[in-house]
Amino acid sequence: NAGVTQTPKFRVLKTGQSMTLLCAQDMNHEYMYWYRQDPGMGLRLIHYSVGEGTTAKGEVPDGYNVSRLKKQNFLLGLESAAPSQTSVYFCASSYGPRQRYGYTFGSGTRLTVV
Amino acid sequence: EDQVTQSPEALRLQEGESSSLNCSYTVSGLRGLFWYRQDPGKGPEFLFTLYSAGEEKEKERLKATLTKKESFLHITAPKPEDSATYLCAVQAYETSGSRLTFGEGTQLTVNP
Repeated sequence: NAGVTQTPKFRVLKTGQSMTLLCAQDMNHEYMYWYRQDPGMGLRLIHYSVGEGTTAKGEVPDGYNVSRLKKQNFLLGLESAAPSQTSVYFCASSYGPRQRYGYTFGSGTRLTVV
Repeated sequence: EDQVTQSPEALRLQEGESSSLNCSYTVSGLRGLFWYRQDPGKGPEFLFTLYSAGEEKEKERLKATLTKKESFLHITAPKPEDSATYLCAVQAYETSGSRLTFGEGTQLTVNP
C-alpha cells in the first residue's frame, strides 16, 4: 500500500551536474506528473505522461527531460543542473481524465543546486 | 489561461474559531475543482472534488462549497491538528492530460 514513492528524498548537486529523480506508483494509474514547488509560486507542472511510452511538456519544462518506459515509473532528469532548479519536486499520479479522487502525490524530493 | 488565486495567504485562528478560506478561479470550462491539504515536508493530500456550482462536500470540520467563480473551504471549530497549507486546484475540460492548475495556498495555523 505504498502509493507514490519518490527517490531520493534529498539531494545536493553542484552546478552542471546531472541527476535522475525516480517516481514509482503501485496503483496502476495511467497518468503521471512532475511538479515543482517554490515559495510564492505554488505547484508548477514540469512534464506529464498519459500512459506508458508517452510524455508531454507542462508549464516549466526547460532544463528537464522525462521518460515513462514502464507504466509504474516516471523519471525526471536534469542534464546540467542550475541554481534556478533548486526546489522541491513532487511526483503525482491519477487514474485518468475523470479526476474524481484527484492526484496521489509522493512525499517529494528536496533538491539544492549550489 | 487557467488561473487560481487563494486568499488569505496566511491565517491564524484560535482553537474553536471558525473561518473560511477563499479560492477564486478563471477557467475555460470547469471540469473539477480540488482541495488539498499539505503538511510541512509532505506531499499534498486530497480532500475534495467539486464539479458544479452549488455543490458542497464535508469531511469532519471541513466543508467545501463551489460557485461559478470561487470556492470556499469552511473550517468549523478548528483544532491545532488542522494547521496546514490548504491548496486549491482546477481542471479544465479542454486541458490535455487532465492537468491541474494550482493556487499558491493558504497557510493555516490554529493555536491551542
